[in-house]
Amino acid sequence: DTEVTQTPKHLVMGMTNKKSLKCEQHMGHRAMYWYKQKAKKPPELMFVYSYEKLSINESVPSRFSPECPNSSLLNLHLHALQPEDSALYLCASSQAGTAAGNTIYFGEGSWLTVV
Amino acid sequence: GIQVEQSPPDLILQEGANSTLRCNFSDSVNNLQWFHQNPWGQLINLFYIPSGTKQNGRLSATTVATERYSLLYISSSQTTDSGVYFCAVEGDFGNEKLTFGTGTRLTIIP
Repeated sequence: DTEVTQTPKHLVMGMTNKKSLKCEQHMGHRAMYWYKQKAKKPPELMFVYSYEKLSINESVPSRFSPECPNSSLLNLHLHALQPEDSALYLCASSQAGTAAGNTIYFGEGSWLTVV
Repeated sequence: GIQVEQSPPDLILQEGANSTLRCNFSDSVNNLQWFHQNPWGQLINLFYIPSGTKQNGRLSATTVATERYSLLYISSSQTTDSGVYFCAVEGDFGNEKLTFGTGTRLTIIP
């Protein structure tokens, strides 16, 4: 079962709100990722967790705060976002990192609108 | 970082036609995957193919690593093939960053 589950599928939030995106996988994968995708653009890497530790932060603003409570769960906490942060947020996982032999699997994404 | 370009950017075909999508990359890679993004946003794995040739039904892919390109072939297109096709690569310096190409938007007309 190659499934990554993301909730919620759609989220509308105000600029002063605090909300969270959640991601879960039960494939025993030890690497998990957050990507951001703007309309008509390719996905861009935000964060990588490897064995529950943050290994890559692609200079993402601090209003985005990732958390990996355990090997199956990945959260993205959102606070004081701007309208330009509206995008599709994609969670993914892989057996280990994306080096040789490790396929990455994506969830269905969370569509975020900041008003 | 590694650069990934896809062509063509847009492709409109009649149902039943065949197509070839290309992915060029600027450096040696140890990971190359092809994805189909459906209209609802989900990225669906098609192939893991850093080198060689693979086939899965009407789809096949070939990567010529020494010449730094990969091709995705779609035969007998169906309307459900519509969407955006991305290749994504990781350079063989192994920094655990998968970089996506610019994408090809495929529209299949009934």
